[in-house]
Amino acid sequence: EAGVVQSPRYKIIEKKQPVAFWCNPISGHNTLYWYRQNLGQGPELLIRYENEEAVDDSQLPKDRFSAERLKGVDSTLKIQPAELGDSAVYLCASSLTNWGETQYFGPGTRLLVL
Amino acid sequence: AQTVTQSQPEMSVQEAETVTLSCTYDTSESDYYLFWYKQPPSRQMILVIRQEAYKQQNATENRFSVNFQKAAKSFSLKISDSQLGDAAMYFCAYVGGSQGNLIFGKGTKLSVKP
Repeated sequence: EAGVVQSPRYKIIEKKQPVAFWCNPISGHNTLYWYRQNLGQGPELLIRYENEEAVDDSQLPKDRFSAERLKGVDSTLKIQPAELGDSAVYLCASSLTNWGETQYFGPGTRLLVL
Repeated sequence: AQTVTQSQPEMSVQEAETVTLSCTYDTSESDYYLFWYKQPPSRQMILVIRQEAYKQQNATENRFSVNFQKAAKSFSLKISDSQLGDAAMYFCAYVGGSQGNLIFGKGTKLSVKP
């Protein structure tokens, strides 16, 4: 069974440029998460989807971040415009359902904003 | 708010020896789940072990076991017969209440000496 797929793996951009990350969850997983992991820290949730509905986006900086999960499968996370402080690893995870199920993580996208 | 604390930023163990990583958490919920995740350098996060709070029996997975003390809100990870491949960041994580996302600690960097 294929795991969570993310692309790109690495991205270097200049500040004020837009950037997008893509995630394909494990087949059949209804819940999808985007986390941000700063250097030396644990991941922190940005947004959680149940199927195509964003059920928790309270930590998403909505002035510059947006996300979508069309048809309840793939998801895209966008930053526009990027700031220096957005440099981090962006992790996508999925689980069968929401509560208490094991979350499976993708390899992440390492973003560097210059 | 729920919090997870890992008080050991770094730990070191000799190959074939046993090491214990500490984790404490704070919650007012009675039903929740606890996890240990392993994140090797530049590699994706993988589940080590999962514990359901309503189960008194400590979870085990081969060389990995936990000491779950619900009253003390403590959830330590014991790695027996340590191997070079165990070297990684280890994150303790919690999920419970109405939230579905994982709350992570800051991690413990484990080094294994040959």
